[in-house]
Amino acid sequence: GEDVEQSLFLSVREGDSSVINCTYTDSSSTYLYWYKQEPGAGLQLLTYIFSNMDMKQDQRLTVLLNKKDKHLSLRIADTQTGDSAIYFCALPGGFKTIFGAGTRLFVKA
Amino acid sequence: DGGITQSPKYLFRKEGQNVTLSCEQNLNHDAMYWYRQDPGQGLRLIYYSQIVNDFQKGDIAEGYSVSREKKESFPLTVTSAQKNPTAFYLCASSIGQNPYEQYFGPGTRLTVT
Repeated sequence: GEDVEQSLFLSVREGDSSVINCTYTDSSSTYLYWYKQEPGAGLQLLTYIFSNMDMKQDQRLTVLLNKKDKHLSLRIADTQTGDSAIYFCALPGGFKTIFGAGTRLFVKA
Repeated sequence: DGGITQSPKYLFRKEGQNVTLSCEQNLNHDAMYWYRQDPGQGLRLIYYSQIVNDFQKGDIAEGYSVSREKKESFPLTVTSAQKNPTAFYLCASSIGQNPYEQYFGPGTRLTVT
């Protein structure tokens, strides 16, 4: 079945760039999503990319998609303490969106 | 303001008791979902519903039950048959079938002792 993998932790200094990576096995999704979860809260859609795109930029966020390697990444420029959260890569497929385990981003002041 | 509400935020129960988690949405979404989140794991789908009076088992439905009598409401009952019920439970909704994004509620943390 489909599988989505992410590393569990990332620590960066405030002002640096953060890069969160995701690899997946199923490539039939029309969109690929990044969700953000702040402590004790639900998930919110952060950004997404169409499967026919290689890159999408949205202010401080850059999403890169390498379909050949089935690799998705999220880059956060000028990372702030408010970016501390868990970031989930998600691939929708029918009614069953497959979520990665989430990468917990720690931002050190 | 449209959104999804879950109540309560924190819930404590004794082992052997059934407990029902509430999920309500006013987004006029057809589809609703229940997920379970455990530390270090992704979201695991418990049940989902595409329309009123219809629901389907997800990947970890054993020990859980749901109903969908109204479009706005999708309550989840955690029964005493669920072996490890302590977890963070998230409800979500979407306009319809993927690839539409899912909108999440704030979650209910259930602790069973």
